[in-house]
Amino acid sequence: GQSLEQPSEVTAVEGAIVQINCTYQTSGFYGLSWYQQHDGGAPTFLSYNALDGLEETGRFSSFLSRSDSYGYLLLQELQMKDSASYFCAVYNQGGKLIFGQGTELSVKP
Amino acid sequence: DTGVSQNPRHKITKRGQNVTFRCDPISEHNRLYWYRQTLGQGPEFLTYFQNEAQLEKSRLLSDRFSAERPKGSFSTLEIQRTEQGDSAMYLCASSAGLAGGDTQYFGPGTRLTVL
Repeated sequence: GQSLEQPSEVTAVEGAIVQINCTYQTSGFYGLSWYQQHDGGAPTFLSYNALDGLEETGRFSSFLSRSDSYGYLLLQELQMKDSASYFCAVYNQGGKLIFGQGTELSVKP
Repeated sequence: DTGVSQNPRHKITKRGQNVTFRCDPISEHNRLYWYRQTLGQGPEFLTYFQNEAQLEKSRLLSDRFSAERPKGSFSTLEIQRTEQGDSAMYLCASSAGLAGGDTQYFGPGTRLTVL
């Protein structure tokens, strides 16, 4: 089977740093992506890791360890607008995405 | 580049009726994907196209579901004899189809409610 595990909820305060972990077990793996989704909105691409290591894009960073089947999304200098659901997703054969169930991030003032 | 668009944005129908959704991908994107998302869950893959060819269908896609991409541009997803369990957000995404993983850009989705 294929499965991705990530925490269901995370709460943090404005200005803080939060890390959302993702472990995966899939039959095929080409890379790990992260998407953000606000209530009622479309998933928005945040990052993609095909190789081990850290990718940084502004306040967001994403990490991948293929040997551990593990990745994380790091959000720095949290803002209220970062309150949303965050999904890790594995790129599978054919380029399709296999999504986790999502982590709901609540940023408090 | 106007992004991925989907129509309609909302659809309410009665059980047993047929519905059709449309997706217009980013121009020149040769891959188009359909996903379904229910409340509190991540999107689930349904099917995808490389140009006009439908290359894979999920087991989630019963015989009541059919998708087409006749000219390799827009795509339609039809659900026949809708059931209450079909109520969900139907998302379309497109990508350039690069080797390995490439970024998929999602449309705003069509929210289907089956009464």
